[in-house]
Parts: sequence; C-alpha cells; structure tokens
Amino acid sequence: GQQLNQSPQSMFIQEGEDVSMNCTSSSIFNTWLWYKQDPGEGPVLLIALYKAGELTSNGRLTAQFGITRKDSFLNISASIPSDVGIYFCAGQKNYGQNFVFGPGTRLSVLP
Amino acid sequence: DTEVTQTPKHLVMGMTNKKSLKCEQHMGHRAMYWYKQKAKKPPELMFVYSYEKLSINESVPSRFSPECPNSSLLNLHLHALQPEDSALYLCASSLQGEAAFFGQGTRLTVV
Repeated sequence: GQQLNQSPQSMFIQEGEDVSMNCTSSSIFNTWLWYKQDPGEGPVLLIALYKAGELTSNGRLTAQFGITRKDSFLNISASIPSDVGIYFCAGQKNYGQNFVFGPGTRLSVLP
Repeated sequence: DTEVTQTPKHLVMGMTNKKSLKCEQHMGHRAMYWYKQKAKKPPELMFVYSYEKLSINESVPSRFSPECPNSSLLNLHLHALQPEDSALYLCASSLQGEAAFFGQGTRLTVV
C-alpha cells in the first residue's frame, strides 16, 4: 500500500536552533499536511499544502510541497521548549481519498 | 467554534463491558472519522462517515460499532473488547474530505 517515510525518526536540538524534517513517498500525492502531537493529546494541524512547489508559513513554521509531488518538508526556526512533540506528515493522493500518515519525527528541545 | 470535542478523556473498561465514545463538532463538517493510535505509532484509520453515511470501514472487528446520529455527532460503541484494543481513540472531522481536525482523544484501557 501507500507508505510515507519521515526523516529523521527523532532529533535532539538546542533551544534556539532551526529544525528541518522531511516526508517522502514513492508515489505522487496532491495534498500534504503537517501535524504536531503532544503526549496524550490529538494531533494539531499545522500547515496544509495543495500545490507542487507551494511554500507556506505559520509563525516560525514553514512547509514546502516538493516539486516532484513525492515529498514535503517542514522547517521550524528558533526552536523553543514547547516545540517538543511528534510531527506527522500526511498525504492524500486524490481529493476525497483518505490521508496516509507517516511514522512521525520525534523532536526534543534541550534548554 | 473550531473544535472537535471527545468524551470521555479517559475510560477503563472490562472485557465484558459495553461503553461508548462520543465526538461532537459544530464546524459544519460533513466528513467524520474514527482513528486508533497505539503508542509511538501514527493514527490508524478505522471508519469514515460522509454526509452521515458510513463510507469506509477499514476491516475493523465488529466489537467496534460506529454510529452517526446527525451531522454533528459521532459515536463509537464498544463491546467485548480485548486488552490489545487499549489505545488512544481519536475522532476527526473535515469539511468534505480535506485536511482533518482532530479531537483530544479518549485514552481507553481494557482490563
């Protein structure tokens, strides 16, 4: 079936550093989503991307829809302790189809 | 109102019990979802309701029974569960199949 890979699996960074993570697939997707999940809570939608090459920001977060439509990237600038959590990407092949979730990137921020 | 509300937040039930999880949204969304999430894993789709009709059942055992009484409410009825069904159960909604907004989840423990 459709599978998404996320890299890195986990990362430890110092507070104030920038973070980059990505989500890749062997298939083309037409919508990419990025979610953040805190322990014991539901995922929170951060950014939605609908067009190849699109670059969208939400505060310190910036996400890009890869031009091949097989990947997406999320950057966090000047990380803070509350950025800790698991970041999931999700892709949708065609409108109305279900989203496929990646395995997640676990982010830890050291003070 | 931009929330998906789930009750209860925590539930402990015996293997012979019958219980229900509830989900409510007032965003006018016409697609509603149940996901199951095990620790350190991404959410796994269980059911999709579209315009109050069950459109997808991802081969979920019959001990899980969804119900959509109206466009704002989604229930998940539980009966004769097994300990391996213990997980975080997430409800989500979307306008018509686009980016979904998640509730905070119900942490279910089957004893």
